Amino acid sequence: GQNIDQPTEMTATEGAIVQINCTYQTSGFNGLFWYQQHAGEAPTFLSYNVLDGLEEKGRFSSFLSRSKGYSYLLLKELQMKDSASYLCAVIDSNYQLIWGAGTKLIIKP
Amino acid sequence: DVKVTQSSRYLVKRTGEKVFLECVQDMDHENMFWYRQDPGLGLRLIYFSYDVKMKEKGDIPEGYSVSREKKERFSLILESASTNQTSMYLCASSFRQGVSQPQHFGDGTRLSIL
Repeated sequence: GQNIDQPTEMTATEGAIVQINCTYQTSGFNGLFWYQQHAGEAPTFLSYNVLDGLEEKGRFSSFLSRSKGYSYLLLKELQMKDSASYLCAVIDSNYQLIWGAGTKLIIKP
Repeated sequence: DVKVTQSSRYLVKRTGEKVFLECVQDMDHENMFWYRQDPGLGLRLIYFSYDVKMKEKGDIPEGYSVSREKKERFSLILESASTNQTSMYLCASSFRQGVSQPQHFGDGTRLSIL
């Protein structure tokens, strides 16, 4: 079957750095998305990776290793507004999007 | 900015009722999707559509149907609502061309079936 694993919950301190991991076993791979979802709101697009390596976008970066079936989202200089769930999603060989259950990130002052 | 609008944020219905959830997008997207989101389970695809009058079953279509009569509108129908359909329902849309096109989501409808 197809599977995406993310930690259920993580806690970090304001101003610090946090890394949210995502491992996947899917039938094929055509890209990986990260989304942010604040409580009670819509998921919003953060990043897309299809090649190995690091993609940086301001305070957020996303890394992909296709050989290891692994990605991470790195958040720097954490702010209270970064408290949210972070969803990892993989495009499989049929171009269907497979979603992880999400990681709830709690930021403490 | 892409706008995906869902008709209701909160909805309470009774078991056995026929329930309609409406979704409208304003960016001329070809693809539209209906998901449900439950704690610990992630997003699960109910139905999707790549064009007007076209629909495809997702992972959990049982108990649901959809309608896409116009490009901008995608409706989800619960034929006879049951308590296990209490959930958050999310509509999304995207361009057809290119796998890198992200999906854009509405704010969701929190549906309670009593």
